[in-house]
Amino acid sequence: KNEVEQSPQNLTAQEGEFITINCSYSVGISALHWLQQHPGGGIVSLFMLSSGKKKHGRLIATINIQEKHSSLHITASHPRDSAVYICAVHLNFGNEKLTFGTGTRLTIIP
Amino acid sequence: DAGVIQSPRHEVTEMGQEVTLRCKPISGHDYLFWYRQTMMRGLELLIYFNNNVPIDDSGMPEDRFSAKMPNASFSTLKIQPSEPRDSAVYFCASSLDPGGNSYEQYFGPGTRLTVT
Repeated sequence: KNEVEQSPQNLTAQEGEFITINCSYSVGISALHWLQQHPGGGIVSLFMLSSGKKKHGRLIATINIQEKHSSLHITASHPRDSAVYICAVHLNFGNEKLTFGTGTRLTIIP
Repeated sequence: DAGVIQSPRHEVTEMGQEVTLRCKPISGHDYLFWYRQTMMRGLELLIYFNNNVPIDDSGMPEDRFSAKMPNASFSTLKIQPSEPRDSAVYFCASSLDPGGNSYEQYFGPGTRLTVT
């Protein structure tokens, strides 16, 4: 069993829809990252969070430490949001090693 | 800042050849990471350095892989001899010293390696 699970694996939605991508992990963590990988392959860090909620533009990330769960939301989705979204965690405090989920491929149809 | 720089962007080589991938981290960053991404296994950490010192190399697949960081602005990942199963995209990333808290990582554009 992977230590980091993402769902869904694939998601197709119409432009404008509200998108939710989920990440669950099985062990204690010190921090969680959401990454975006564009179709061209580049990886961008969207959020790093260890508690609560963060918002950047149309993107919102939340984490519930007790439930070992995080969600990434996209409001008013747009075709340019089409990408693979990857959840990654620091399993140990002070350890910079990241463990990755398998990613969620999001496709937004105009 | 130019961000994390990797070279080459694409590499095609024959099985048995030596391959060297290069990375220049963001100036001032204390951590450098090497990752490999394949369709089957996704993203995996190979090794990471802190202040040029290797901290965790448990992800390095086998002795054919080696990584060095001779100074704060340069790192190499070498595969010798290369095999077709090494074909993947190799990413380098860097981050600030967290000082007890984790910092976000900045990824390079990756090197797409094909071993025939």
